[in-house]
Amino acid sequence: GENVEQHPSTLSVQEGDSAVIKCTYSDSASNYFPWYKQELGKRPQLIIDIRSNVGEKKDQRIAVTLNKTAKHFSLHITETQPEDSAVYFCAAENRDDKIIFGKGTRLHILP
Amino acid sequence: DAGVTQSPTHLIKTRGQQVTLRCSPKSGHDTVSWYQQALGQGPQFIFQYYEEEERQRGNFPDRFSGHQFPNYSSELNVNALLLGDSALYLCASSFMIGTGEQDNSPLHFGNGTRLTVT
Repeated sequence: GENVEQHPSTLSVQEGDSAVIKCTYSDSASNYFPWYKQELGKRPQLIIDIRSNVGEKKDQRIAVTLNKTAKHFSLHITETQPEDSAVYFCAAENRDDKIIFGKGTRLHILP
Repeated sequence: DAGVTQSPTHLIKTRGQQVTLRCSPKSGHDTVSWYQQALGQGPQFIFQYYEEEERQRGNFPDRFSGHQFPNYSSELNVNALLLGDSALYLCASSFMIGTGEQDNSPLHFGNGTRLTVT
């Protein structure tokens, strides 16, 4: 069935270093891949998204790459800051237009 | 411009009871999706409503039902509550771009309703 796998479940990086979160999806027809950030007690908020007609998208310190052949996509955060600490979710929209989420990555930025 | 609003924010119910959660979409949005988020987990898709009809459904039992009104607001109903239904229920709105590869705009989430079943 439809599935989005996300790794790692927890990630700790030194402030200023880069963080990478990886996801794989099962539905080859998926064509839209959003990333959400959820701070404690708050709503998930869209931080970046990518569609299948591009391989990479960047927005300041955040970038997402997509490999459709391998069915995986990644989030890259450079020059991490304390306010980047949160839970990050990848998601994929499947052929039925359902947006399926991964289980999340808890990112800790260490001082 | 109001975002997605949900009510109530918190709710405590007893096993076997019924609950109704409400959602008003972001202005300009016509599609509402409901998600269940258990503690420490990602949001799980329950169903999506468009033009007052259930358009898609996830792997949830018939105890979970919904409705969309002409003003695009939506309700989620859960009957015969189980302890395992305790979770954060998130409503997300979007607008239907059209048919084809880019049907929906990105999802905008509300703050959720925290349901506790005792």
